[in-house]
Amino acid sequence: DTAVSQTPKYLVTQMGNDKSIKCEQNLGHDTMYWYKQDSKKFLKIMFSYNNKELIINETVPNRFSPKSPDKAHLNLHINSLELGDSAVYFCASSPPGLAGGGETQYFGPGTRLLVL
Amino acid sequence: AQKVTQAQTEISVVEKEDVTLDCVYETRDTTYYLFWYKQPPSGELVFLIRRNSFDEQNEISGRYSWNFQKSTSSFNFTITASQVVDSAVYFCALSGIAGGTSYGKLTFGQGTILTVHP
Repeated sequence: DTAVSQTPKYLVTQMGNDKSIKCEQNLGHDTMYWYKQDSKKFLKIMFSYNNKELIINETVPNRFSPKSPDKAHLNLHINSLELGDSAVYFCASSPPGLAGGGETQYFGPGTRLLVL
Repeated sequence: AQKVTQAQTEISVVEKEDVTLDCVYETRDTTYYLFWYKQPPSGELVFLIRRNSFDEQNEISGRYSWNFQKSTSSFNFTITASQVVDSAVYFCALSGIAGGTSYGKLTFGQGTILTVHP
């Protein structure tokens, strides 16, 4: 009965490879997000999708491409991985809000990516 | 642009002490939301509280309490009678609404590492 799940939990790969991280939520939420947490624990939003539509793209390199096949899934594909991509990537989801934002975001367990 | 500052990088206390984690924010939005999240050593992010900008009432939940002061743009978090299990990184975050400058996205502070010693 996991609410927001991510696979894989750990990902170790070589520079230059392409990899994907999958996220699924069973909360019935409309909006999903990807955040990156760097080695200093700083969390920053990367993307947000609402009902499969991209609504936030925070100046992330083109090598990162989110894909939302349906509103319960938001996957993150990364091309040509670089050393600086090593981080923890969190997926999150939030319910629709009357005010169009500001709803609580519930996070997945994170995917620890290490690029060698 | 929105900004959240948690000036305390690390705090160390002994069990049963009270501890307050500071959070100061900046935003041009008139309607916004403030949050606290906990990240224990296991790494997940756990939601603790959400507060909107029009509700300045303090909130208490068990040993946790929050003090929101719009006049000083602060949203501080106090743990009373701390326990070893409270050891974690605590994040304060800010979100705006549609039509505002930061629709839907959470802007996080740098986090405060809290260590509670037995």
